This record gives sequence, structure tokens and C-alpha cells, in this order.
Amino acid sequence: AQTVTQSQPEMSVQEAETVTLSCTYDTSESDYYLFWYKQPPSRQMILVIRQEAYKQQNATENRFSVNFQKAAKSFSLKISDSQLGDAAMYFCAYRSAGYNNDMRFGAGTRLTVKP
Amino acid sequence: DVKVTQSSRYLVKRTGEKVFLECVQDMDHENMFWYRQDPGLGLRLIYFSYDVKMKEKGDIPEGYSVSREKKERFSLILESASTNQTSMYLCASKGGRAGELFFGEGSRLTVL
Repeated sequence: AQTVTQSQPEMSVQEAETVTLSCTYDTSESDYYLFWYKQPPSRQMILVIRQEAYKQQNATENRFSVNFQKAAKSFSLKISDSQLGDAAMYFCAYRSAGYNNDMRFGAGTRLTVKP
Repeated sequence: DVKVTQSSRYLVKRTGEKVFLECVQDMDHENMFWYRQDPGLGLRLIYFSYDVKMKEKGDIPEGYSVSREKKERFSLILESASTNQTSMYLCASKGGRAGELFFGEGSRLTVL
């Protein structure tokens, strides 16, 4: 079974600085998707960024970018120019290709942003 | 925007009570999911559904059942609530190019 590991239960960053959240996964498949979700305090979980495994180029969404290392099975999230609104739980998730496959989540990293 | 609505944000129930958690999505998605979220454990899949009247067990289905009578509605049922079912419950539907999940706001259940 696929597993997703987030080794950092908590991280903190100074406002306007850059922070990287780590994620590793275990799979024997070659075609899959990876996601980072954000869950602000008392608010719903939203998708931050997605990466298709067949694409070598790292995905980018404004201040959020990923470092996808397929051979190492690593998928880290970099947040640049951190803002107070970035404070949240961040979950890394994996889904193998095949539309009906379910999604596997890591345990989450709580990010604190210091003013 | 996709909207996934969960019927209750906060519930307090007593041990042995029957609990219904309801979820409605407005994007005509076929796949819907119920997850349980606990600190340090992330999200664990309880049940999911590919279509109306169809259901599949996830990783932790014990003590739970589900109902999907209409495409837009997916209900989670705790037949006899126990204290170890105190948790945050998240409903999601699947859509988008990569099959990403769209989540409701969550239902925080406390069983006394």
C-alpha cells in the first residue's frame, strides 16, 4: 500500500521569509499524482498545488512551488515570501493514476508564521 | 466554485447514540469520500462511493456505515457512537483534471 510521510510535525517561519515543507512517499507505481493541501484554523481544506508524476517540470502556483524528485520519491513544498495567512496545517497527498483510486494523506505539518 | 456542505460543524453526542453526518456537493461529482482526521494521524479514509447506492470500505470502516441515495448526498452513520469516535470528520468529492478532492468544512464530533 502507498504511504505518505511528513517528517516535520511543526515548522515556523518569519513573515516574508521562505520555508520548505518535506514529504516523502512510497509507491511501486510510475503514474500518479501528488498534492499539497492547506487547512487554515477552523476552515476547510483547500488544494494548494498539484503535480503529475509524468511531468518533469516542477509545479508552481504564485508563491508556492514544489521540488519533485521522482527517483527519491520526494515532494517538498516551498512557500516564498511567507504571509500571516499562510499559517495552517499542510497535508501532502498521493493518488495513483486511475480515476477511481483514493487519495492517501500524510500526518500533516503545522506551519506557524511569525510577524 | 465547487461547494461541499456538511450539515453540522459541531456535535456533542452520548455513548450509544446513533449519529448522522450529512454531506452535499453541488458539482455533480460521482465520487464522494468520508475521512476521519486525528492529530498526528492525518486523514484516514472511512468509506467512499463511486456512484449512487454504491459504497466501498476504506481503511477504518469499523463502527461506521454510509448511505448514498442521491448523487449529491453522502451520509456517514455511526450506529452506536463510542468515545473513540470523537474526532473531526471530513467529507470530500472528487473532480478536476487530476482527480483532486474538494472538502467540506468538517464536522467535529464529541462523544461523551
